[in-house]
Amino acid sequence: DAGVIQSPRHEVTEMGQEVTLRCKPISGHNSLFWYRQTMMRGLELLIYFNNNVPIDDSGMPEDRFSAKMPNASFSTLKIQPSEPRDSAVYFCASSSSGGPQGEQFFGPGTRLTVL
Amino acid sequence: QKEVEQNSGPLSVPEGAIASLNCTYSDRGSQSFFWYRQYSGKSPELIMSIYSNGDKEDGRFTAQLNKASQYVSLLIRDSQPSDSATYLCAVSRAGNQFYFGTGTSLTVIP
Repeated sequence: DAGVIQSPRHEVTEMGQEVTLRCKPISGHNSLFWYRQTMMRGLELLIYFNNNVPIDDSGMPEDRFSAKMPNASFSTLKIQPSEPRDSAVYFCASSSSGGPQGEQFFGPGTRLTVL
Repeated sequence: QKEVEQNSGPLSVPEGAIASLNCTYSDRGSQSFFWYRQYSGKSPELIMSIYSNGDKEDGRFTAQLNKASQYVSLLIRDSQPSDSATYLCAVSRAGNQFYFGTGTSLTVIP
């Protein structure tokens, strides 16, 4: 299996621009998670989906952030407009409810820099 | 109070020694407990999971869970320089609520 795939791996943009991060979970996994990691705040859960349905988006920092999962093999995290404080590494992770509870597998991450 | 608390370290141990990493959690309803390893610039990698009180061993790694004390630990025996990384404790509750600690940085000195 290819594991969780994220794109792009690096993104540099200017303040005010729209940013879209993409994720392909492991085939057969039915839960998908978006995290943000910074030195100051560590790893923060932004939102997670179960069977393509958003279950908990309480970690989404504000309305500038939105996430979608149109099908079982694809999810996006969008930031519009982006701000310098959004600079972080964004991870996508997936898990299977049929497997041991909660074992999540992470993608390589997208390093976002907003100038 | 944070859901999951870890000592940020850094923790330094000599090669061959036992490294002991600790974690406490706040919700007694937590059901599953995990240790992830994260090398600098890389993504977290699951190394241990534990679901019931007691010890669970996997190679040089032993996870220990004490639900009464709300305490999880990870022991790394015969520490190697390649074990140098940040170790993240994670806890999950029903409904896939998942919480990470801020991590403990471990350095194994050759």
